[in-house]
Amino acid sequence: SQQGEEDPQALSIQEGENATMNCSYKTSINNLQWYRQNSGRGLVHLILIRSNEREKHSGRLRVTLDTSKKSSSLLITASRAADTASYFCATVKTGANNLFFGTGTRLTVIP
Amino acid sequence: SQTIHQWPATLVQPVGSPLSLECTVEGTSNPNLYWYRQAAGRGLQLLFYSVGIGQISSEVPQNLSASRPQDRQFILSSKKLLLSDSGFYLCAWTPQMGGANQPQHFGDGTRLSIL
Repeated sequence: SQQGEEDPQALSIQEGENATMNCSYKTSINNLQWYRQNSGRGLVHLILIRSNEREKHSGRLRVTLDTSKKSSSLLITASRAADTASYFCATVKTGANNLFFGTGTRLTVIP
Repeated sequence: SQTIHQWPATLVQPVGSPLSLECTVEGTSNPNLYWYRQAAGRGLQLLFYSVGIGQISSEVPQNLSASRPQDRQFILSSKKLLLSDSGFYLCAWTPQMGGANQPQHFGDGTRLSIL
């Protein structure tokens, strides 16, 4: 079964607004990663946050991690039409050597 | 810089035919290599991963197999394709050091349709 579940499954916003996507997972983890996928393309790594970290920033991206709630969020500020894509969280379980992907959030940014 | 190549980009095959998808990585040595399948509108399912030449771990029992004949070459194969093998196949790599605790770098995928 999937380790991570994103919420919402789909999100539609106006350009300039902020987009927040959430990810919940089931077991203890070493790290959690967020990826972006444009339609029909491979995934692109966005941010990796380790289990002992609570927040990370990269440009317009902000990721938080709450290990007590087994959840993470990805915030994209001042969204652009080019941010339209699917976003996936992926976790590395403690003691494992593989990534387990969630089902993704489909973000549409309307110009 | 490192690059990853997958081919072909799209493939249409009849049921029962064989399959060979190839993935190669350039600009790095001893990478960990991964094959994923993505069903329409879904997340990625790990199929195989490899930490070295000839070393293959299978995550999901199925109709597919993988091989790593060279350090930077990863091949996904099937002797007889099933309708359920349709999907988007993605290859990825990470540096040997750190494995899954490093970001994964993906190819552009192969869209496989079985008729």
